[in-house]
Amino acid sequence: SQTIHQWPATLVQPVGSPLSLECTVEGTSNPNLYWYRQAAGRGLQLLFYSVGIGQISSEVPQNLSASRPQDRQFILSSKKLLLSDSGFYLCALYLQGGRGYTFGSGTRLTVV
Amino acid sequence: GQQLNQSPQSMFIQEGEDVSMNCTSSSIFNTWLWYKQDPGEGPVLLIALYKAGELTSNGRLTAQFGITRKDSFLNISASIPSDVGIYFCAGQRAGTASKLTFGTGTRLQVTL
Repeated sequence: SQTIHQWPATLVQPVGSPLSLECTVEGTSNPNLYWYRQAAGRGLQLLFYSVGIGQISSEVPQNLSASRPQDRQFILSSKKLLLSDSGFYLCALYLQGGRGYTFGSGTRLTVV
Repeated sequence: GQQLNQSPQSMFIQEGEDVSMNCTSSSIFNTWLWYKQDPGEGPVLLIALYKAGELTSNGRLTAQFGITRKDSFLNISASIPSDVGIYFCAGQRAGTASKLTFGTGTRLQVTL
């Protein structure tokens, strides 16, 4: 079965510093991949999704970017973090014909 | 981005009681999903619903896909302490790169 690896689990970064969060997938090929952000006590907001290598769609205007350099790798980045970028970031995959999403364990980012 | 209306926002119940929560949307979905999220973890799929009117159970959990395709319900019978967490509904439309729209969440706390 497919699994998702996200790291790091927690991250504290100063305002203005760069960011790189990585998500890798095992046990499947050509999945749809997604980055969600969850503010404290809130629901999940879709940030980016990708249906294939090099294909990125952005859902909301923001300070972040995403890339998919390989089929099973999805990266969330920022050149300069803002305080408002703090949150819980979740990577997810979806397989056509599958039963919903599989989520990673998340990265809690605190920008100070 | 859009979020589904989920109620109640939070619930305090006693162990052994039954729990009901629902999710409504102004637009139609082809699939309804229910997830549970424990603190610091990614959401885990509980039940997936694929057809209007469908009623599906998973142990003590029962969910229904509303016949209008604009709502869904989740019931938990005989709650136990490990049911504590945040429950999210999510809707999925055909032809949208399988993106999920999430509800705002229901925080469930179970007292002994």
